[in-house]
Amino acid sequence: DQQVKQNSPSLSVQEGRISILNCDYTNSMFDYFLWYKKYPAEGPTFLISISSIKDKNEDGRFTVFLNKSAKHLSLHIVPSQPGDSAVYFCAASHFNNNDMRFGAGTRLTVKP
Amino acid sequence: KAGVTQTPRYLIKTRGQQVTLSCSPISGHRSVSWYQQTPGQGLQFLFEYFSETQRNKGNFPGRFSGRQFSNSRSEMNVSTLELGDSALYLCASSSRDTDYTGELFFGEGSRLTVL
Repeated sequence: DQQVKQNSPSLSVQEGRISILNCDYTNSMFDYFLWYKKYPAEGPTFLISISSIKDKNEDGRFTVFLNKSAKHLSLHIVPSQPGDSAVYFCAASHFNNNDMRFGAGTRLTVKP
Repeated sequence: KAGVTQTPRYLIKTRGQQVTLSCSPISGHRSVSWYQQTPGQGLQFLFEYFSETQRNKGNFPGRFSGRQFSNSRSEMNVSTLELGDSALYLCASSSRDTDYTGELFFGEGSRLTVL
């Protein structure tokens, strides 16, 4: 049961422009939504999260938007930098357990 | 603060063997979770331990087991290895304190290859 989906396997943007990564989910009972960044041969690194009671959370160049009615969240990176090139995973979890559901990931390439 | 440490980083086994992977969480974190990452299935939840008790279990066969010690360190074991068990096994810890925001802190993983 794929409860979290990232439909774009890859995204390429120019340095300085905005990167928008999208994620859809099916379970309306999730409490938290998170974005992780992963480089090859490393574990995922937490980027930003949002509680289900909010619709926006911002941290520097990264902003996550949550649209509960559409069961959709997105990650905006502005401005994009070459160092942002990595695989980005969307994830969702419940408060009472760590059975975190991950999307398949989107490979972001930021071209100089 | 030291991060999540997993050992070994790489290992090669043959079908039918068993393997034990180890994870040391961030100091003070009592929750440890295990995930399997494969190219075809992505990141999948194996199980979570909290204060030495398994709290949740993913949809994996009984060949996959784990435990947690009183110092929060955790081990996972896979018996009767199959080719399909080749994967990156990730351990993650979390604090579950009042400032919990759902974040898991991942280790670098143990890359298992089954021949």
